[in-house]
Amino acid sequence: AQSVTQPDIHITVSEGASLELRCNYSYGATPYLFWYVQSPGQGLQLLLKYFSGDTLVQGIKGFEAEFKRSQSSFNLRKPSVHWSDAAEYFCAVGAREYGNKLVFGAGTILRVKS
Amino acid sequence: DAGVTQSPTHLIKTRGQQVTLRCSPKSGHDTVSWYQQALGQGPQFIFQYYEEEERQRGNFPDRFSGHQFPNYSSELNVNALLLGDSALYLCASSLSGAPGNEQFFGPGTRLTVL
Repeated sequence: AQSVTQPDIHITVSEGASLELRCNYSYGATPYLFWYVQSPGQGLQLLLKYFSGDTLVQGIKGFEAEFKRSQSSFNLRKPSVHWSDAAEYFCAVGAREYGNKLVFGAGTILRVKS
Repeated sequence: DAGVTQSPTHLIKTRGQQVTLRCSPKSGHDTVSWYQQALGQGPQFIFQYYEEEERQRGNFPDRFSGHQFPNYSSELNVNALLLGDSALYLCASSLSGAPGNEQFFGPGTRLTVL
């Protein structure tokens, strides 16, 4: 069965510092991987996605993520965090073999201190 | 492009009642998925509709049912509401056959069951 683990429930970083949010997945096939961001009371906005090819993917708002098959990881990074990045971040996995549903992690809440 | 829209924004019901939530997909999309996001958790897949039929279903009881109309819009119905059904209900649309079936989310409907 598919599963996604986001080990960090909360992360606090200073504005201007770098950020890495961890995501590990359990999957038997080649997954499609996504990072979404959710501001309070809002829906989900797609930050970036990985389907195939280059394992380092660039997304919106200066985010990037790297797919590491050997570690079953898809960590999200940003070199310099802005106060507006404070939100909840969700990693999700899907695959054609399991239909097209997405399985989400529990999320990581990012706090940015000035 | 209006993106994915959902109505209503908020809803308050009492236990035992029935509720209907509505979703209009992004222009050009033919597939609609529904997710339940309980407080403090990641979204969980309820079911997916394509060509007016339920194509895939998550681990939700039969109290949860849906429908897709010829214009691809969709409804989620929940019968015999329980307190535990209180959540944010997210609709996502996608284009069947697109790589990775990237899903675009609406802002959600916040359901409170008293």
